[in-house]
Amino acid sequence: SQTIHQWPATLVQPVGSPLSLECTVEGTSNPNLYWYRQAAGRGLQLLFYSVGIGQISSEVPQNLSASRPQDRQFILSSKKLLLSDSGFYLCAWSVRSGNTIYFGEGSWLTVV
Amino acid sequence: EDKVVQSPLSLVVHEGDTVTLNCSYEVTNFRSLLWYKQEKKAPTFLFMLTSSGIEKKSGRLSSILDKKELFSILNITATQTGDSAVYLCAVGPMDSSYKLIFGSGTRLLVRP
Repeated sequence: SQTIHQWPATLVQPVGSPLSLECTVEGTSNPNLYWYRQAAGRGLQLLFYSVGIGQISSEVPQNLSASRPQDRQFILSSKKLLLSDSGFYLCAWSVRSGNTIYFGEGSWLTVV
Repeated sequence: EDKVVQSPLSLVVHEGDTVTLNCSYEVTNFRSLLWYKQEKKAPTFLFMLTSSGIEKKSGRLSSILDKKELFSILNITATQTGDSAVYLCAVGPMDSSYKLIFGSGTRLLVRP
């Protein structure tokens, strides 16, 4: 069966510090991969999606970036965090022609 | 611009009550509508709907889609305290990336 893991689960970072959130999927090949952000009391906002290694599409201009160095690995990064980057970050995957996306456990980021 | 609107924003009921959650959408090239339940962490998948008038059912939960009027409802009968969660509606467009557009969710609280 397929599983998705992301880490760390929680982190508190000072403004201006770098960020790296990592996500891996197991049990499937060639998945579509996604990074979503959920601000408090709001819906999910798609940040990035990827249909293959090295193929990243950005949905929202921001100081975050994403990379997909391997087929089942997706990384969310920032060189310098802003206060507004605080939120709940979710990695997700779907099969290439799939109708459903499945979420990882999420990462709570607080920028102080 | 594609959008998904859920109502009500929040709802408080007592155990045993029946609730109806609403989701309306405006999306070009509609492919499917999905419902997720989000408790403390990651959303978990409930239903995917692609055809009008066909009810999907799982235990006390059921959902139906109206593609003519562009909405879906999620019904929960005989509610239990474990049903307390945020219920998210998402719509998927017809393209290869399969990006989902989420509503802001309905927060349901079931009191004993």
